Amino acid sequence: AQSVSQHNHHVILSEAASLELGCNYSYGGTVNLFWYVQYPGQHLQLLLKYFSGDPLVKGIKGFEAEFIKSKFSFNLRKPSVQWSDTAEYFCAVFRDDKIIFGKGTRLHILP
Amino acid sequence: DADVTQTPRNRITKTGKRIMLECSQTKGHDRMYWYRQDPGLGLRLIYYSFDVKDINKGEISDGYSVSRQAQAKFSLSLESAIPNQTALYFCATREGTEAFFGQGTRLTVV
Repeated sequence: AQSVSQHNHHVILSEAASLELGCNYSYGGTVNLFWYVQYPGQHLQLLLKYFSGDPLVKGIKGFEAEFIKSKFSFNLRKPSVQWSDTAEYFCAVFRDDKIIFGKGTRLHILP
Repeated sequence: DADVTQTPRNRITKTGKRIMLECSQTKGHDRMYWYRQDPGLGLRLIYYSFDVKDINKGEISDGYSVSRQAQAKFSLSLESAIPNQTALYFCATREGTEAFFGQGTRLTVV
């Protein structure tokens, strides 16, 4: 079935560590790809998005993501995480008028 | 004012009761969506609508119904609530590559 897969369900890092969260999708053709963040008790906020052009996308709060078409991947990265990055992160695809989400990765940063 | 407003924010209801969750938006978007979020399962699509006459089922529509009363309003109903419908519910709107989410409604069915 067509889907969005996030490989890491729960990640624990220390402050200043580098972060990479995996996201793969199984849709062919043109896709619009997104990363959202949900801080505890809050709604979803857009971190970054890709729909065309430069496959390396920079978002808010120092996050970036790289679209690799051949790998159907859109991994999220941050060189140095902070305690305030503790949150749940969702990869999403806009496809056929729907917004399809991965199951999320819960990130916990140790101070 | 928020772009997408959900009411109520929190609700506890008893099994078998009918409950309605409301969503209104100020973005003027045609596309509106209802999702439920469960730990470890992400956000799953319940229903979506492109206008007041166009309602579509998502992946988990059983036990739910919706009403698009106007372009700005999209309500989700649980006709007879059951405990496994306890979840966080989100409404969203979309236009092109922009999507906006409500603050969520935390529903507990006891």
